[in-house]
Amino acid sequence: EAQVTQNPRYLITVTGKKLTVTCSQNMNHEYMSWYRQDPGLGLRQIYYSMNVEVTDKGDVPEGYKVSRKEKRNFPLILESPSPNQTSLYFCASRPPGFPGELFFGEGSRLTVL
Amino acid sequence: GQQVMQIPQYQHVQEGEDFTTYCNSSTTLSNIQWYKQRPGGHPVFLIQLVKSGEVKKQKRLTFQFGEAKKNSSLHITATQTTDVGTYFCAELDNSGYALNFGKGTSLLVTP
Repeated sequence: EAQVTQNPRYLITVTGKKLTVTCSQNMNHEYMSWYRQDPGLGLRQIYYSMNVEVTDKGDVPEGYKVSRKEKRNFPLILESPSPNQTSLYFCASRPPGFPGELFFGEGSRLTVL
Repeated sequence: GQQVMQIPQYQHVQEGEDFTTYCNSSTTLSNIQWYKQRPGGHPVFLIQLVKSGEVKKQKRLTFQFGEAKKNSSLHITATQTTDVGTYFCAELDNSGYALNFGKGTSLLVTP
C-alpha cells in the first residue's frame, strides 16, 4: 500500500532533549516536506527536499534540522526542543510533475514540557 | 510565506444547507490545490485547478478558479455530516517546489 509513515505518532518530551521524528515513503517520490500545524495558523512548512541531498528552508525552519540521505526517508530533527515546538507535525511527499498532489503521513503530535 | 487568504475561518451549518469557502491571493496563482482534513486526521488531496476560469465538480463539491487566477472557491451543495472537517487551499510558492497552505476553513455540520 502506498503510504507515508511517521514515527512516533505521539511523544511527550522535555525541553532540551534531542529527538528525531522519522518519515518514510514507499512511492519513490523525489519531493518530501515537513509541516507543522497549530490552531489558527494552518499548515506551515518547515523544510522541504527536492531530492536526495537537496533540502531547503520553508517558512518556519528555526529550531529544526533535516537530512535526506536516501530517497525514501526524510527525518525531522529537533536538536534542543522548546515548548514553542509543541505542535502537530506532518510529513508529506509528492510525485514528480507539475506540481502533483501531496500525500501526507498521519501526523506526529509532539508535546515539549 | 503564505500568499493565500481563506475565508471564513469557521462555518457552522445545518445538514442540507450549502457551504462555500473562498481562497484569495494578491498575486496571480499558477495553480491551486484543495485539501480536506477530517478531525483527528491528515490532509487529503481533493483537486487541483490550473486554468483560468476552470470549474471542476466532484459529486456535491464544485471547485472554481477565478478568471484572473487570483481566487478560488469550494462550494458544497446540501452538506452532510460526512463533510465535517477543515478545508485548505494551497498554492505553489515562488520556488516552484513548495506548497503554501491557507489557514483553512473549519466546517461543522449539525444534523
